Amino acid sequence: GAVVSQHPSWVICKSGTSVKIECRSLDFQATTMFWYRQFPKQSLMLMATSNEGSKATYEQGVEKDKFLINHASLTLSTLTVTSAHPEDSSFYICSASRRGGLRQPQHFGDGTRLSIL
Amino acid sequence: RKEVEQDPGPFNVPEGATVAFNCTYSNSASQSFFWYRQDCRKEPKLLMSVYSSGNEDGRFTAQLNRASQYISLLIRDSKLSDSATYLCVVNRGSQGNLIFGKGTKLSVKP
Repeated sequence: GAVVSQHPSWVICKSGTSVKIECRSLDFQATTMFWYRQFPKQSLMLMATSNEGSKATYEQGVEKDKFLINHASLTLSTLTVTSAHPEDSSFYICSASRRGGLRQPQHFGDGTRLSIL
Repeated sequence: RKEVEQDPGPFNVPEGATVAFNCTYSNSASQSFFWYRQDCRKEPKLLMSVYSSGNEDGRFTAQLNRASQYISLLIRDSKLSDSATYLCVVNRGSQGNLIFGKGTKLSVKP
């Protein structure tokens, strides 16, 4: 069964709206979670690394004031797309891995399809 | 140079064919390597990890050459259900940041 839950799976909203996406690890604690974005026919691009209890680490070119990440507990990270515009429409996916070193594979949420009108 | 590069594809093969995917990575400090598959409009799912000694899982065989910074995936006796995009994935950094290749699309035809 799923080990990482992501919600919502689909969002359609007007330009200027802020959208919050939740990522939960279901049966393990994740001190680190990752947020990715995927545009059509493109690869997954890492946006940021979410660290429990501290600030997220953003990849170059990703606006931290636009994509707010909060990792308040060991099982929940949230990504808020603030004042979303049509160019933010994309497939957003989170992932987390169990503790055990780098060889632990990451488990992905189902993803969130964000469409901004 | 991109961190992870894959065959551009697409690969269109008949059922039963053997198909090989190649991947190169640029960061010699990378420590973990994976193949994921992604079906259309779905999240990636782990296919297999890749170990230095090479590893096999049923019809799938993965190889790693650290000296050449090269990873491969071999699929034998292709099935229709193997049709998907195959993603070469490499870790970067101590936190386990994964870097994805663009993926190679495989279409297995009857």
